[in-house]
Amino acid sequence: NAGVTQTPKFQVLKTGQSMTLQCAQDMNHNSMYWYRQDPGMGLRLIYYSASEGTTDKGEVPNGYNVSRLNKREFSLRLESAAPSQTSVYFCASSPTGGDGYTFGSGTRLTVV
Amino acid sequence: GQQVMQIPQYQHVQEGEDFTTYCNSSTTLSNIQWYKQRPGGHPVFLIQLVKSGEVKKQKRLTFQFGEAKKNSSLHITATQTTDVGTYFCARNNNDMRFGAGTRLTVKP
Repeated sequence: NAGVTQTPKFQVLKTGQSMTLQCAQDMNHNSMYWYRQDPGMGLRLIYYSASEGTTDKGEVPNGYNVSRLNKREFSLRLESAAPSQTSVYFCASSPTGGDGYTFGSGTRLTVV
Repeated sequence: GQQVMQIPQYQHVQEGEDFTTYCNSSTTLSNIQWYKQRPGGHPVFLIQLVKSGEVKKQKRLTFQFGEAKKNSSLHITATQTTDVGTYFCARNNNDMRFGAGTRLTVKP
């Protein structure tokens, strides 16, 4: 089992470009999450999906959109990238909202 | 911002010394989780505490949940170089909110 798979691992964008970060889990988990991690800031929740068909905003949703494509996949889209979105992005999943999370290996995004 | 506060932000110890990180909340927590992130890696779930006053051990790691369920601690006995990383606490109300973490470095 791969667990949580994120693609791509690295990406450089120009300001104003768009892109979608992909996340897939093979553990039959109901809940999925997107976080960003900046130095000294810990992990901040962008969006989450408690179950297939639902999505909710987290702490820092501005500038992002998400799609829970099916139970396995949860994508994060940047419509018009800004330098402030330079960060490491982690996808995570859990059986339900109250369980420990399994994280993917992250996507390191730089916006120039 | 974070709804759980962690201290200290950094801790540097000599190998063999003990290490403790603290997690505090202004509100009562339903549970607290702890994660470890190695440098360049991703967070890995360590444990979840649910009950008031709960104490759990994993080898050299001891986790405690306060009686009032507003604070928690992680204590590592006799640190090793493999303990290097950032330790996060997180509170979970269906969406996990993480503390800023304590970065541990260990000098051999």
